[in-house]
Amino acid sequence: QVQLQESGPGLVKPSQTLSLTCTVSGGSISSGDYYWSWIRQPPGKGLEWIGYIYYSGSTYYNPSLKSRVTISVDTSKNQFSLKLSSVTAADTAVYYCARVPWGPGVWFDPWGQGTLVTVSS
Amino acid sequence: EIVLTQSPGTLSLSPGERATLSCRASQSVSSSYLAWYQQKPGQAPRLLIYGASSRATGIPDRFSGSGSGTDFTLTISRLEPEDFAVYYCQQYGSSPVTFGQGTKVEIK
Repeated sequence: QVQLQESGPGLVKPSQTLSLTCTVSGGSISSGDYYWSWIRQPPGKGLEWIGYIYYSGSTYYNPSLKSRVTISVDTSKNQFSLKLSSVTAADTAVYYCARVPWGPGVWFDPWGQGTLVTVSS
Repeated sequence: EIVLTQSPGTLSLSPGERATLSCRASQSVSSSYLAWYQQKPGQAPRLLIYGASSRATGIPDRFSGSGSGTDFTLTISRLEPEDFAVYYCQQYGSSPVTFGQGTKVEIK
């Protein structure tokens, strides 16, 4: 069964760029059957969709974050990545990666375990 | 964007009881493109329901989803101890994808 694992720095300074990677195991990111997504959850709060990418590189972003977000894919490493620029304390959250079925439905299954990123000087 | 409002905020019930969770959308969710997730403390959300009423793989049949348009419901027929958690609805009928604020099901 496919598993996803987030990795990256747990602390980022304000105004800098947050960078995370999601490694997919148990399945190929290039299969074409799925999109690959990032979602975040501020401590004690709800969930916010950030965006997703297809193996070809096509991306779809939440308009509220679009100006600061870049999602990319590395099929040779079976990984996809998130960059969020100009971060502030409001970007402190647990960041999850998840799989999305290709097609009209956008639901997230499975999810990685999540990684907490704190924005602080 | 579509705003999802979940109610109640907290549901206090005993094991064996029936739980009914509501998710109301600010505008109609096309094609019943609505999903439900369960999240336990310190864990990632887990998909329960998609397409408003289809159970995800491995989800017990005590979980059921219903509804259309702007009103959706997640029902847990008989609460098991492991069902006490926070539940989120999510719509994907309109971009951007949005989530509700969650309903906490706690032990009474």
